[in-house]
Parts: sequence; C-alpha cells; structure tokens
Amino acid sequence: DVKVTQSSRYLVKRTGEKVFLECVQDMDHENMFWYRQDPGLGLRLIYFSYDVKMKEKGDIPEGYSVSREKKERFSLILESASTNQTSMYLCASSSWLYEQYFGPGTRLTVT
Amino acid sequence: DQQVKQNSPSLSVQEGRISILNCDYTNSMFDYFLWYKKYPAEGPTFLISISSIKDKNEDGRFTVFLNKSAKHLSLHIVPSQPGDSAVYFCAAVYGGSQGNLIFGKGTKLSVKP
Repeated sequence: DVKVTQSSRYLVKRTGEKVFLECVQDMDHENMFWYRQDPGLGLRLIYFSYDVKMKEKGDIPEGYSVSREKKERFSLILESASTNQTSMYLCASSSWLYEQYFGPGTRLTVT
Repeated sequence: DQQVKQNSPSLSVQEGRISILNCDYTNSMFDYFLWYKKYPAEGPTFLISISSIKDKNEDGRFTVFLNKSAKHLSLHIVPSQPGDSAVYFCAAVYGGSQGNLIFGKGTKLSVKP
C-alpha cells in the first residue's frame, strides 16, 4: 500500500511566523503535490514537483514556497503566515499513472 | 474559469437506493477521469477512474459512466450505504500534462439509514 505521511495533523501558528509542512511518501513516486482544501472551493493546487529539486507553480502559489531535496520528501513553506492561509493542507504523490495518493492532511490555523 | 464542475454541492439518498453524482467538464483535451472520496479530517482516497476511450467502468458497487459528446460523467453507487456518506470529488487530466489533476468542488453525499 502506498503511504503518504504528513508531519502534523493539526497546527496552530501566529501571523507572521514561518511555517514548514512536511510530506513523505514511501512508494518511490516521481511526482508530488501540495493542495489546500477550503469549504466550497474544492482542492486547489499550490505547487507540484516531478523530480528532485524541480518545482512548478500550481494555481495558487502566492505566499508559499516548496522544497524537494530528496525524492521521498516534499516540503511546503509559508514564508510569513497570514490568517487567510488557515486551511486544510493536503500532500499527494503519484507515479507515471494518474492516480494520486493523498496523505491525511494538516489542519493549519493561523491566529 | 472552472474546467471541472460539480453543480450539486450536496445530495441526500436513502440507504439501499442508488446515488448518482454528476460532473461536467469543458476541456475536450481531458482523457482520463477519476473519482475521489473524502471523509472529514482525512485525505481523499481514490475510488474509481475511467479512460476517455471507454464509456463505462465498474468496480463493485461503484460505476462511472462517461459521455464524451456531452462532456459529462457520473458516478453511480448501488446500493448506497451509510458509510458512503462523504464528499466526492471528480477530477480530470490530459495526456501531455504532468499528471496534474483538475478537481471539481465536490458533492457532499449523505446516505440516511
């Protein structure tokens, strides 16, 4: 079974803090993705990576950056957290097939 | 502009009956479609998919139908069970992309005992 793990299930941060969300997958997948999910807006792609050290912007990259130093790990960074970044953050991975496998999500609250 | 639309935010069905979740798309380049199921506080889980060369794919209680001319797909769940209560997302992708899925906004299904 594919396993995608995320470093925290729940996180509370203050406005202006730098926030790191970590994601690790154990299936040697090439592609990794970060989404946020908000009520009524579905899943929106923030960034994705199709190889180590490679990254591409998704639909809503503003206020975020990413890092992929190893194939199994993809980090999402909020440079200066703001209240409008309060959301559910979901990491996913995939191989050459289209099915993406998701982690359990991190519920981030910025106060 | 939304390329994948799920026009019903919610659907309520009686246990044992059929649930039909609908999805429309605008991009004729899409050649693969997927359905995901999501429980609260969990990540989405892959449910079923269909290639554009097919018009039907079945897996147990779940069947996906694709109507390319209408740019429409639907997920049928028969019989519906209370454990099927979740948010269902439709997603689409086209060859030549890097596997980026375009998701609809989801439909919340409630199956009442």
